[in-house]
Amino acid sequence: LAKTTQPISMDSYEGQEVNITCSHNNIATNDYITWYQQFPSQGPRFIIQGYKTKVTNEVASLFIPADRKSSTLSLPRVSLSDTAVYYCLVGDLNNAGNMLTFGGGTRLMVKP
Amino acid sequence: NAGVTQTPKFRILKIGQSMTLQCTQDMNHNYMYWYRQDPGMGLKLIYYSVGAGITDKGEVPNGYNVSRSTTEDFPLRLELAAPSQTSVYFCASSPRWDSKYFGPGTRLTVT
Repeated sequence: LAKTTQPISMDSYEGQEVNITCSHNNIATNDYITWYQQFPSQGPRFIIQGYKTKVTNEVASLFIPADRKSSTLSLPRVSLSDTAVYYCLVGDLNNAGNMLTFGGGTRLMVKP
Repeated sequence: NAGVTQTPKFRILKIGQSMTLQCTQDMNHNYMYWYRQDPGMGLKLIYYSVGAGITDKGEVPNGYNVSRSTTEDFPLRLELAAPSQTSVYFCASSPRWDSKYFGPGTRLTVT
């Protein structure tokens, strides 16, 4: 099972770009990388998913290098409302793998 | 669509009492899950289901039971509540193993 490692916490300021890196050295060929965001007192929310290279949506970008042993979630021009915990999950979309398991996540604090 | 709904939002139980946390989804998802989240911690999987009539244990199933008689409903039963079960409980559903949709959570206190 691909285990993931993320920084426990990060601080940033409004208007800055934030990059959160997730390490997954044992990622398997069929594994995808999925990121969730969780605000206080709410359930996690799916924000982005990718397999390789770069994926972008209205919320974030996901960068995955060729070896796929890590991935970087990029949040452009963060605001106070981006303060949340961000979770990286890795697994096969067609099998449970460790898509079921949420680690501790990265607690992002955005300051004015 | 209402998405994933959970009831109740809050509950206080006495030690030894039992209760059922309700979870319903209207997205026709096959996969459903129950997680618990202790203060300041990540989510831990209690049980999951890949379809009606099929359930399986997650990381922390002890003290809990589930059933899945319909696609829409996935209730979580707590028997003989203990203080260690004080937590926030999240139900989720998904069309595949990814892209989970979470409910608003049930905050449970056992005293």
